[in-house]
Amino acid sequence: SYVLTQPPSVSVAPGQTARITCGGNNIGSKSVHWYQQKPGQAPVLVVYDDSDRPSGIPERFSGSNSGNTATLTISRVQAGDEADYYCQVWDGSSDHHWVFGGGTKLTVL
Amino acid sequence: QVQLVESGGGVVQPGRSLRVSCAASGFTLSSYAMHWVRQAPGKGLEWVAVISYDGSNKYYADSVKGRFTISRDNSKNTLYVQMNSLRAEDTAVYYCAREMATQDAFDIWGQGTMVTVSS
Repeated sequence: SYVLTQPPSVSVAPGQTARITCGGNNIGSKSVHWYQQKPGQAPVLVVYDDSDRPSGIPERFSGSNSGNTATLTISRVQAGDEADYYCQVWDGSSDHHWVFGGGTKLTVL
Repeated sequence: QVQLVESGGGVVQPGRSLRVSCAASGFTLSSYAMHWVRQAPGKGLEWVAVISYDGSNKYYADSVKGRFTISRDNSKNTLYVQMNSLRAEDTAVYYCAREMATQDAFDIWGQGTMVTVSS
């Protein structure tokens, strides 16, 4: 089965740029989606299809995907961005499974 | 507005069964594939199952295959998951989620319902 690997934690000062990675075998050939989850809340889609944003998501959230690594970039980080972030892909090679990364805790210092 | 609301969670003994429901409003359920995703306490997200827009195709995670059954009633705008032979490791918040029309991402999520498997 397909495995997505994320760092457990990332820390950044307010106003700086946070980069959260998601590693997978040839992930650049897949569409990667990113979710933000704050404590006690349901996940929210923040980036889909590698780099597109749903309506209502700030332009500060962007994504890229190439080779074996996809990246979620959050510019001008704010305290309200502190949350868990998950990457996700569809693995069509293993009986139509949807796969999540283990999640990354973003801490705003 | 577009909304998903889960219900039916609770405490159940190991080996017993439980059915969780997800009521959709603000959109036409029959136009979308729907999923169940769960999250064990303090853990990450785990995909559980998917059902196509018309119910003709269903796929399951290996961890629940043979024990869980996903279904839908488009006339009632409701999604279900029947969970049998429950185990302690099935303890989690269960979310229903809508799959985007053009992408395999989840654009709408319910608030979740907690299922606790314990004697």
